[in-house]
Amino acid sequence: EVQLVESGGGLVQPGGSLRLSCAASGFTFSSFAMSWVRQAPGKGLEWVSAFTFSGDTTSYADSVRGRFTISRDKSKNMLYLHMNSLRADDTAVYYCARRGDTSQFDYWGQGTLVTVSS
Amino acid sequence: QSALTQPASVSGSPGQSITISCTGTSSDIGGYNLVSWYQHHPGKAPKLLIYEVNRRPSGVSNRFSGSQSGSTASLTISGLKAEDEADYYCCSYAGSLTWLFGGGTKLTVL
Repeated sequence: EVQLVESGGGLVQPGGSLRLSCAASGFTFSSFAMSWVRQAPGKGLEWVSAFTFSGDTTSYADSVRGRFTISRDKSKNMLYLHMNSLRADDTAVYYCARRGDTSQFDYWGQGTLVTVSS
Repeated sequence: QSALTQPASVSGSPGQSITISCTGTSSDIGGYNLVSWYQHHPGKAPKLLIYEVNRRPSGVSNRFSGSQSGSTASLTISGLKAEDEADYYCCSYAGSLTWLFGGGTKLTVL
């Protein structure tokens, strides 16, 4: 059974940093592309960042480019999102999602809440 | 990177059919046949319903179907059930390893 479990969320002050983690199991982690998607309170889903399965290409939404970095540890089946210079509008539930063969997000975690506030 | 446009809400009675539209541009929906749809019950993980415009993953009910015309995609739910009450999101590949989601549509089963 495919499982994605996020962790690392919490309360952080504006300008601060946080690292989110996503533990993957039930599939060959190194063979799949992965993404982060977030949902701000009362808002819709927003794609944040992606990692190809080969690991040679990453991408970011304009709203986070230059502040967030996606990475992974294949030996630990872990996906990460390093978030710097956090702003109030980064407050959201952050989901880890596996990307299928044709750009669909076929499995999602339950999410981890990040609150940016003083 | 503007979000795809969905109606904020739709409603229907049990047994009826409803359709949710998702409008984009030639740079996203219209440029690729890579639209997917997700069902999201608050507090739970989103669930993939449709991918590649009209394909259903294994285990998804055939009451859910998708279509596309130009830069507008649609999700149709037939034989509405109370359990279908949720938020629904469309998503399109937008090139250069980026994706766009719609603003979401809240489905109310009357």
